[in-house]
Amino acid sequence: QKEVEQDPGPLSVPEGAIVSLNCTYSNSAFQYFMWYRQYSRKGPELLMYTYSSGNKEDGRFTAQVDKSSKYISLFIRDSQPSDSATYLCAMIRPYNFNKFYFGSGTKLNVKP
Amino acid sequence: DTAVSQTPKYLVTQMGNDKSIKCEQNLGHDTMYWYKQDSKKFLKIMFSYNNKELIINETVPNRFSPKSPDKAHLNLHINSLELGDSAVYFCASSQMEGNSPLHFGNGTRLTVT
Repeated sequence: QKEVEQDPGPLSVPEGAIVSLNCTYSNSAFQYFMWYRQYSRKGPELLMYTYSSGNKEDGRFTAQVDKSSKYISLFIRDSQPSDSATYLCAMIRPYNFNKFYFGSGTKLNVKP
Repeated sequence: DTAVSQTPKYLVTQMGNDKSIKCEQNLGHDTMYWYKQDSKKFLKIMFSYNNKELIINETVPNRFSPKSPDKAHLNLHINSLELGDSAVYFCASSQMEGNSPLHFGNGTRLTVT
C-alpha cells in the first residue's frame, strides 16, 4: 500500500463549479500537508501549506485536513479554465523535513 | 528572478551518451533535491543534499551522480544513458529547519533515443 493515495482522475467540471480534490494517507505521523499545482511542461507550484488539522483559506482555495480520518482536501471555488492542471498532495513528518511523500496527482479539466 | 532554475529545459540524446543537468536556487535554502517524474506524473525522490552533504540516496543506478559544489547549486550527471532514463527531472529546494515546503524548478525533459 502506498503511503499517500490520490485519485488520478481526470476530473472534468464546468467553469464556476466547486472542485474537491482529495488524498488519503496511512501514516498518522504526518503533520505538514501541501498542495501543489502543476501545469503542463512546468514544475509543481506550491498552492497551500498547512500544519496539523483544520482549514486554511487563500482566495478561491481552501485546504482542509482531517487527521482523525487521515484525509486531506483541496477545494476550489468558482473554478476557472486556468485552474486546469494536475494537483499533487504532499506531506511530511516532524523531524524528517527532507522526506516528502507525494500523491500521484489528480488531473483537473475546467471546461469554459 | 527565478527561485529555482535548472538547465537545460530540454535534452535529447542518444543511448550511451553522458549528460549533465544543472540547478541553482536563490532562496537561501539549505537543502536541495533531484526528483524524477514519470509519464503518470508520479514524483520519485532520487537524491537530497543538505549543506552540500548527501542525505538521501534512493535506489538509483550508480550511473547517476549528483554533485553539490555549494548549498545553492546541485548538478546531476548521468553516464551511459539508457532508454528508460527518459523522464522529466526536477530540481527542488527547501529549508530543512523551519518546516519549509519544497520549491521546484521547471524541469528538464530528457529524451533518450
